[in-house]
Amino acid sequence: GAGVSQSPSNKVTEKGKDVELRCDPISGHTALYWYRQRLGQGLEFLIYFQGNSAPDKSGLPSDRFSAERTGESVSTLTIQRTQQEDSAVYLCASSALAGGSDTQYFGPGTRLTVL
Amino acid sequence: LAKTTQPISMDSYEGQEVNITCSHNNIATNDYITWYQQFPSQGPRFIIQGYKTKVTNEVASLFIPADRKSSTLSLPRVSLSDTAVYYCLVGDPVTGGGNKLTFGTGTQLKVEL
Repeated sequence: GAGVSQSPSNKVTEKGKDVELRCDPISGHTALYWYRQRLGQGLEFLIYFQGNSAPDKSGLPSDRFSAERTGESVSTLTIQRTQQEDSAVYLCASSALAGGSDTQYFGPGTRLTVL
Repeated sequence: LAKTTQPISMDSYEGQEVNITCSHNNIATNDYITWYQQFPSQGPRFIIQGYKTKVTNEVASLFIPADRKSSTLSLPRVSLSDTAVYYCLVGDPVTGGGNKLTFGTGTQLKVEL
């Protein structure tokens, strides 16, 4: 079946503009994660959705960042009033949380460049 | 949260066995150890997961000592295509939770001819 998909693959925006990044998880996966990866750096957790539970937003770096997920499907990460330090690759992952395993399947990421 | 420590980089040659060790001194009872591989411009890809002793699959082996404070990813007979960043991750797979699954800094493996 299809893997995790993200759109757009690349996004160039001007400082101060808002951006929306989309993630389509694997069908049936109840858990969804957003990460940020700056150039040459490791993955930085942003937010986690699990079923109908309240999302774990503990990784969001500021109130300019927000994310939504409709049921167990698409998720949107929104960054308001973008800053140059927001430039990074934003990765989405989903997992089934089944059988004692939480193997995360990652999408290709969205490369965000803030000018 | 179980913090992990890995070497920043390692170099090897084709055909050699590569062992990458990850330290996780504060690993919790329910935590599993998972390794991911990441190529440039791609998202990380699952390699192997284990809880204790040894796990082997078609691409790698994972060795975990009895105290579980470290783990070693073993890649047999590496090739140029194994050049990538390898991440060690510890966390509770049942509850998941992002922050509960803390990615390490990653080890850049470079394989040469």
